[in-house]
Amino acid sequence: GENVEQHPSTLSVQEGDSAVIKCTYSDSASNYFPWYKQELGKRPQLIIDIRSNVGEKKDQRIAVTLNKTAKHFSLHITETQPEDSAVYFCAASTNGQNFVFGPGTRLSVLP
Amino acid sequence: DVKVTQSSRYLVKRTGEKVFLECVQDMDHENMFWYRQDPGLGLRLIYFSYDVKMKEKGDIPEGYSVSREKKERFSLILESASTNQTSMYLCASTSSEEEQYFGPGTRLTVT
Repeated sequence: GENVEQHPSTLSVQEGDSAVIKCTYSDSASNYFPWYKQELGKRPQLIIDIRSNVGEKKDQRIAVTLNKTAKHFSLHITETQPEDSAVYFCAASTNGQNFVFGPGTRLSVLP
Repeated sequence: DVKVTQSSRYLVKRTGEKVFLECVQDMDHENMFWYRQDPGLGLRLIYFSYDVKMKEKGDIPEGYSVSREKKERFSLILESASTNQTSMYLCASTSSEEEQYFGPGTRLTVT
């Protein structure tokens, strides 16, 4: 079955710097890769996603890149702000069914 | 707005009790999921369902069962609760567009 690894497990950056979180997956049939942000005590919320027919997607300060050959995808946050502090999860799915999540990255943005 | 609700935010049960966790979504989504979330392990899929009366095992189904008698409701059942089932339980649903919407979570403590 699918296995998703995520690195780093914790990340601290200065406000205004960029943050990059990387995930790898094992199942070449996976075709949908969402990223979720979970603030303390709240439910995970989708922040960006990418499908396997696209190499990059951007939404304001957030971007995701996908390398299907290497089976990895990354989340990039530019100009980080304190409100970006949260736990971020990547996931891989085949046709929106069996979602497998990475273990999460705790991002701290230091003022 | 999609709403995914869970029957309880906090639950305390004794070892050996039968526990029901209920999840309801109001957007006519086909797919519904149950995860447990533990520190350092991210979200792990217990079971999912892609249609009424249909269910599929996820990565950690042992000790759990599910029921989906109506499209909007997906129940997770712990036949005989054990202390290692103390966790945060998250329900989610998706349409064919694949974005997962999460419920607020149920923090279950088994003593």
